[in-house]
Amino acid sequence: AQSVAQPEDQVNVAEGNPLTVKCTYSVSGNPYLFWYVQYPNRGLQFLLKYITGDNLVKGSYGFEAEFNKSQTSFHLKKPSALVSDSALYFCAVRDSNFGNEKLTFGTGTRLTIIP
Amino acid sequence: DADVTQTPRNRITKTGKRIMLECSQTKGHDRMYWYRQDPGLGLRLIYYSFDVKDINKGEISDGYSVSRQAQAKFSLSLESAIPNQTALYFCATRDARVGNTGELFFGEGSRLTVL
Repeated sequence: AQSVAQPEDQVNVAEGNPLTVKCTYSVSGNPYLFWYVQYPNRGLQFLLKYITGDNLVKGSYGFEAEFNKSQTSFHLKKPSALVSDSALYFCAVRDSNFGNEKLTFGTGTRLTIIP
Repeated sequence: DADVTQTPRNRITKTGKRIMLECSQTKGHDRMYWYRQDPGLGLRLIYYSFDVKDINKGEISDGYSVSRQAQAKFSLSLESAIPNQTALYFCATRDARVGNTGELFFGEGSRLTVL
């Protein structure tokens, strides 16, 4: 079975400060990990993914995420938060087993950037 | 124009009514998905399709049916809507050529309220 945990429902960060949105996962094989962002009244937009290789992955809008296999984590980070980063963020995992179509989402973390 | 288009965007209906949510895509992707989003639960997979002749149940398919009318069209039906099917529904596509590493592309969502 595969699962994702986003331990924080809400994260508040002052504009200009670094931000971190946490994600931990569980899979039986190797993980394919994804971050998506959802703005109000919009669909989910892909930010970045980890498949293999370098543990630090860079994505859209200045976001990056660090894959940590020993801690089974894939935290989303940004060095300097913008008010426009305020949104709902979802982490997702897919087990790399061949033929696995299931992408399991976390429950989401609402990020609010305070001006 | 959006690559993945859902109609209607909002719908209010009554218990027992039949409802169809439609999705069309211009991305040329073979794989299409229907997800349901509920607050605090993240996204859950209802049905997915590899092509017109290949339909598969997801984790919460009871009470739903789907039809893949063409490569570009995938509709979700609620034969007899009930209040606990009130949710935000998303259609998504994925490029099968990149295997399980590919990300999903989402529509804008269809908000359904069942009274």
